[in-house]
Amino acid sequence: DAKTTQPNSMESNEEEPVHLPCNHSTISGTDYIHWYRQLPSQGPEYVIHGLTSNVNNRMASLAIAEDRKSSTLILHRATLRDAAVYYCILRDPYSGTYKYIFGTGTRLKVLA
Amino acid sequence: ETGVTQTPRHLVMGMTNKKSLKCEQHLGHNAMYWYKQSAKKPLELMFVYSLEERVENNSVPSRFSPECPNSSHLFLHLHTLQPEDSALYLCASSQADSSVDTQYFGPGTRLTVL
Repeated sequence: DAKTTQPNSMESNEEEPVHLPCNHSTISGTDYIHWYRQLPSQGPEYVIHGLTSNVNNRMASLAIAEDRKSSTLILHRATLRDAAVYYCILRDPYSGTYKYIFGTGTRLKVLA
Repeated sequence: ETGVTQTPRHLVMGMTNKKSLKCEQHLGHNAMYWYKQSAKKPLELMFVYSLEERVENNSVPSRFSPECPNSSHLFLHLHTLQPEDSALYLCASSQADSSVDTQYFGPGTRLTVL
């Protein structure tokens, strides 16, 4: 599976937008980009995913570079409840394996 | 609520005890997973069951024994564990034959081995 690189930590002020970057320079053509987050004392939860085009849902937006070697998760207005570890994961549904490889993620701190 | 429940939420056991962790999914999924999350380390996939058949076992010691009696239930039987097995154990489920097999996680069982 292709590897992703994320900053260890980021800070944001409440009510401001947050851009969480992810580099995946060895991404293959069939890799989907997934984002999950893990709130304190909880299991990870799905945030968003995309393949080539930018995606929006009620939680966040995903901006994918034209060459797909990087992506950015955008939280439009950070709240204290968004403080979590955010994981960027590449997943090829045709790989024949069931593995999601979680790295160390980005710990987001939201300041009141 | 993700549709995946785990019991117990917390467990303390001695090295000679035998205990079991239980996971139940209410999402109609056909694949279930056990992950281990140790302090300061990434999630590690332990076992995967698809259609009640074990399809992945990532070099997990035999003191961990999974069981999947049906597509909704998954167990992890524990015996003669070591203190380094203390961790958060997470269960997840997904629809594995879809093109985007989003995983839904339970809240985890916090295990402490004394």
